[in-house]
Amino acid sequence: DAGVIQSPRHEVTEMGQEVTLRCKPISGHDYLFWYRQTMMRGLELLIYFNNNVPIDDSGMPEDRFSAKMPNASFSTLKIQPSEPRDSAVYFCASRRTGPFQETQYFGPGTRLLVL
Amino acid sequence: EDKVVQSPLSLVVHEGDTVTLNCSYEVTNFRSLLWYKQEKKAPTFLFMLTSSGIEKKSGRLSSILDKKELFSILNITATQTGDSAIYLCAVTHSNSGYALNFGKGTSLLVTP
Repeated sequence: DAGVIQSPRHEVTEMGQEVTLRCKPISGHDYLFWYRQTMMRGLELLIYFNNNVPIDDSGMPEDRFSAKMPNASFSTLKIQPSEPRDSAVYFCASRRTGPFQETQYFGPGTRLLVL
Repeated sequence: EDKVVQSPLSLVVHEGDTVTLNCSYEVTNFRSLLWYKQEKKAPTFLFMLTSSGIEKKSGRLSSILDKKELFSILNITATQTGDSAIYLCAVTHSNSGYALNFGKGTSLLVTP
């Protein structure tokens, strides 16, 4: 079984550019989560979806961040315009509904550097 | 606001030592506590704990939860250099889709 797939794995961009991160969850998982990891703040939840519907986006830092899930097998996280403080590792994770199914499976992450 | 505090923040031990990592939490509507291991890549799942006093074990790793005192410990016996990683503790509550609220992690280095 393929795990959570993220692309690109690394992204270097200049301040002001648009950045799009992509995620394919594990097949059959109906929850998808976007997290961001920095040295200062650790791993933080940005947004999560259930059955392709955004449920909680309170962790999205600013209006520059947006996320979509057009279907059960694809999600994007977009930053426009990007800023140096957005530099971080962005993880996507998924899980399935069910009793004691809190375990989330993480993708390899996208390491973003904004110059 | 939910809080998850891990200690120590970092730890250096020799191969063969036993280590105990701590995680304390304050969260409304607590549902579960999870431990993850993160090497230079994505966090990988270790344990999920929902009930007090029941030890979960996998090889040299074990973990237990105390819901009265609001903490969990992760034990690693006979440490090996391959145990070097960041160990993350996360909690879920029942009204958040079980989104993970992570602590800052404990960075463990096992030296030969």
